[in-house]
Amino acid sequence: ETGVTQSPTHLIKTRGQQVTLRCSSQSGHNTVSWYQQALGQGPQFIFQYYREEENGRGNFPPRFSGLQFPNYSSELNVNALELDDSALYLCASSPDRAYGYTFGSGTRLTVV
Amino acid sequence: QKEVEQDPGPLSVPEGAIVSLNCTYSNSAFQYFMWYRQYSRKGPELLMYTYSSGNKEDGRFTAQVDKSSKYISLFIRDSQPSDSATYLCAMSAGTGANNLFFGTGTRLTVIP
Repeated sequence: ETGVTQSPTHLIKTRGQQVTLRCSSQSGHNTVSWYQQALGQGPQFIFQYYREEENGRGNFPPRFSGLQFPNYSSELNVNALELDDSALYLCASSPDRAYGYTFGSGTRLTVV
Repeated sequence: QKEVEQDPGPLSVPEGAIVSLNCTYSNSAFQYFMWYRQYSRKGPELLMYTYSSGNKEDGRFTAQVDKSSKYISLFIRDSQPSDSATYLCAMSAGTGANNLFFGTGTRLTVIP
């Protein structure tokens, strides 16, 4: 059973709205990364947080933003939703930026 | 050109067959190579992790990395129906945010 929990599991939003996705990492995992996985594609890196600071960002616009909290939880916020934002959003955590990333089951976002 | 190329399949094999999954990449800076397994409606699960070139074996799974050819492989021996899933290769340069670059995934079905 994965130690990374994501909520909600499914979400439907209207174009132009804002959404917040949540992730609860394993205790001690101070690194969290967020990925977007479109249908039939591999995950694409959005950004990473290390000890509550952004530690790298992929090719995503500023309307994708995040937060990491001291209790090993984190959020992904997406403003001004577009139809192409429809995807599975995955959270992955690891201790000290090591490669043993543990992925959550993801949040399936549908933008209509 | 994508940084990581992977044949999406689908691939169907009879139970007990040897499965070969492959990825090629273009970025010579990649040093860390991983294989993930993703079941339907689940997040990716780390199967194998290799640093630089060489082979690594874990039970029925063998990972191979040939950095000179920019080519990585995953072999599954004695395949089982429970191996039916999408297999994703992933790699990283190991600097900065240590973000992973994924292939598109190969969908494997093992037929009983």
